[in-house]
Amino acid sequence: KAGVTQTPRYLIKTRGQQVTLSCSPISGHRSVSWYQQTPGQGLQFLFEYFSETQRNKGNFPGRFSGRQFSNSRSEMNVSTLELGDSALYLCASSLKRPGSQPQHFGDGTRLSIL
Amino acid sequence: SQQGEEDPQALSIQEGENATMNCSYKTSINNLQWYRQNSGRGLVHLILIRSNEREKHSGRLRVTLDTSKKSSSLLITASRAADTASYFCATDPRAGNNRKLIWGLGTSLAVNP
Repeated sequence: KAGVTQTPRYLIKTRGQQVTLSCSPISGHRSVSWYQQTPGQGLQFLFEYFSETQRNKGNFPGRFSGRQFSNSRSEMNVSTLELGDSALYLCASSLKRPGSQPQHFGDGTRLSIL
Repeated sequence: SQQGEEDPQALSIQEGENATMNCSYKTSINNLQWYRQNSGRGLVHLILIRSNEREKHSGRLRVTLDTSKKSSSLLITASRAADTASYFCATDPRAGNNRKLIWGLGTSLAVNP
């Protein structure tokens, strides 16, 4: 069974631009969560989608948004990029609610803002 | 906001030694999970321990949970260079509608050959 796939692996953008990251969960997994990881802050929860509905949201500004498609694939979008958005963005999928069972992570998208 | 805390922040040991990492949390939980992250990669799930369990084993890994102290420990026995990674705990809080995993900042483990 294929694991969680995130594309692209690396991305370089400049301030003010926008970016879209993609995540394909493990087949059959309906829950997809997104995290931002930086050296000083650890894993920060962005949002969780289940069956195309945003079920939970972290404390990030409205510039961060996401969606989930009927095939459970998910995208997240960051608009008006800032230097502080440089981070590793991780996607994780699970069959049911995160926390009740293990999450399966992709290798992330490394986003660098110049 | 609440957050799990691992200690130590960094640990350096020799191959063959045991490594112990601790995780403390603040509220009642349904379960606690440990994950490993190799440099530049995603997290890999290691063990999930439920609040009514006190100890769990998986290969060279042993996890304990003390709900009265709100703490957990991860023991890696007979460590190998390949165990070099960051280790994170994540708790599933019992209370509240906003039930999302609470992650610690991680312990960075270096196993020297």
